[in-house]
Amino acid sequence: SQQGEEDPQALSIQEGENATMNCSYKTSINNLQWYRQNSGRGLVHLILIRSNEREKHSGRLRVTLDTSKKSSSLLITASRAADTASYFCATDMNSNSGYALNFGKGTSLLVTP
Amino acid sequence: EAQVTQNPRYLITVTGKKLTVTCSQNMNHEYMSWYRQDPGLGLRQIYYSMNVEVTDKGDVPEGYKVSRKEKRNFPLILESPSPNQTSLYFCASSFSGPRNEQYFGPGTRLTVT
Repeated sequence: SQQGEEDPQALSIQEGENATMNCSYKTSINNLQWYRQNSGRGLVHLILIRSNEREKHSGRLRVTLDTSKKSSSLLITASRAADTASYFCATDMNSNSGYALNFGKGTSLLVTP
Repeated sequence: EAQVTQNPRYLITVTGKKLTVTCSQNMNHEYMSWYRQDPGLGLRQIYYSMNVEVTDKGDVPEGYKVSRKEKRNFPLILESPSPNQTSLYFCASSFSGPRNEQYFGPGTRLTVT
């Protein structure tokens, strides 16, 4: 079952603007990760945030995590055309038997010059 | 160079003809997994392996088999492919499990006619 769900499904912005995408999940997690996928290619890891962290930064990326609301957001500041891609959140199950990693359906981001 | 490789990258086959998609990583990772990606459905985990000779089902294991005889290799076997297995397949690996950064292969686009 897919644990994470991204919102919006698609987002179109202009270069220089900020892009925010959200992820909601259903059960307790250990970590939440964000990945980027350029069209048809393998996913690339962007950032990992642990369940006891609330915010994390990496370059132009800012991730927040609200475990009480079971949600996370990814902010890309000062977007560039090269940021055009699909973005996925991934969560691991917080249970003794859960070694699976669940991905959401993704947010498709288009950044136009 | 640290990487996950998959072969073949593209494959067109016919219903019922057994095939194997190979996956190999050179990072001495313990955790390896297979995903399929379909439009509107995101990535769904097929099988994963915590270590040599330890495999388990993901969300969509029906019609697939895997084996983990060596740490570096994790082949995906379709004993009798059907058209509903037409998809984009990704292999991924990580140091010790789903809580770590996943490294993805470039993908295998499979068409079953």
